[in-house]
Amino acid sequence: KAGVTQTPRYLIKTRGQQVTLSCSPISGHRSVSWYQQTPGQGLQFLFEYFSETQRNKGNFPGRFSGRQFSNSRSEMNVSTLELGDSALYLCASSVGSNSNQPQHFGDGTRLSIL
Amino acid sequence: DQQVKQNSPSLSVQEGRISILNCDYTNSMFDYFLWYKKYPAEGPTFLISISSIKDKNEDGRFTVFLNKSAKHLSLHIVPSQPGDSAVYFCAAKGVWQGAQKLVFGQGTRLTINP
Repeated sequence: KAGVTQTPRYLIKTRGQQVTLSCSPISGHRSVSWYQQTPGQGLQFLFEYFSETQRNKGNFPGRFSGRQFSNSRSEMNVSTLELGDSALYLCASSVGSNSNQPQHFGDGTRLSIL
Repeated sequence: DQQVKQNSPSLSVQEGRISILNCDYTNSMFDYFLWYKKYPAEGPTFLISISSIKDKNEDGRFTVFLNKSAKHLSLHIVPSQPGDSAVYFCAAKGVWQGAQKLVFGQGTRLTINP
């Protein structure tokens, strides 16, 4: 069974640009969550999508947005990039939104802002 | 407001000894707790979990203890092996404000010395 796939693995952008990251969940998983990981901050929750609807949102500015497609694949978009957006962005999928099934993570997209 | 805290950024343990990783939480709405392990350049992988109705869960070399009154959980690894060297994240799950939320700690880097 294929795991969670995130593309691209690495990305370099400059300030002011925008970026779109992609996540393909495990087959059968309908919930997709996005996290930002920076040194010393752990995993900061961005948002969760389930059945194409945003179910949960973390404390990030509106520059961070996402969406989920009918096949459960999800994209995350960051507009007007800032230096502080440099981070590892992780996507995780699970079977359902309100369950105790653990989330399965992809290997992340390393975003560097110059 | 850090609802889940791992106060030790790093821990160094000799091979064969016991590793104890600690995690504290503040929100009494959390009712399910998980530990994830993360190697460099990979996404976190689920390790072990515990429901709030239990105080201990064991899986091979890994045991998680939950002390609800102290709002504290710990992960014990015994015996520790070099392959256990990684960053360990604790996470807490609960429902409030109409949605299930999963909150991660900042992580503890465990180094097993031969």
